[in-house]
Amino acid sequence: SQELEQSPQSLIVQEGKNLTINCTSSKTLYGLYWYKQKYGEGLIFLMMLQKGGEEKSHEKITAKLDEKKQQSSLHITASQPSHAGIYLCGVFTRGGSNYKLTFGKGTLLTVNP
Amino acid sequence: DVKVTQSSRYLVKRTGEKVFLECVQDMDHENMFWYRQDPGLGLRLIYFSYDVKMKEKGDIPEGYSVSREKKERFSLILESASTNQTSMYLCASSFSLSISFSGRAENNEQFFGPGTRLTVL
Repeated sequence: SQELEQSPQSLIVQEGKNLTINCTSSKTLYGLYWYKQKYGEGLIFLMMLQKGGEEKSHEKITAKLDEKKQQSSLHITASQPSHAGIYLCGVFTRGGSNYKLTFGKGTLLTVNP
Repeated sequence: DVKVTQSSRYLVKRTGEKVFLECVQDMDHENMFWYRQDPGLGLRLIYFSYDVKMKEKGDIPEGYSVSREKKERFSLILESASTNQTSMYLCASSFSLSISFSGRAENNEQFFGPGTRLTVL
């Protein structure tokens, strides 16, 4: 089955600091998705990566997929309290005759003012 | 913008009750999903549907059933609720659930509802 690791599990940073969250898959993936979740709410889609070496940005959040398409990093520049929440990565892979989106367990980000 | 709505944000039920969770999407998506989210376990897929009246088991279907009579609506049913089904339930929909001939994975992103926090006493 797909092994998907997210690190760190939780992160506390001071407002204004940069931070990185990692997502590592044991298998090559077709697509990697980043989501953000505020506590007690649904997931908000941030961005999707599918080409090796691809990098995308949304406001102060940048995500990159490595050349082997097994690891992605999400980088937040000059963090703000509005960045706080749970960040989840999801990988699109094939299992048997079906495709599926498998999620990591998430990284809880706290940004202290 | 895609909108996915769930019938309740919070629900409290008693053990043994039959529980219905409703999900509606307004973007004509083919695929709909039900997940549960628990601390330390992340999101786990319960069931999904790729067309009206079609359903597939996910990773943890035991104790649940689903119904998709109309394209926009996907219901999750707990036939006899138990305390271990206390959880956050999330519904999602997507346009696609496959890879193109060129190997591209666009349109597979899932859009989520706000979640239903179910407590079974």
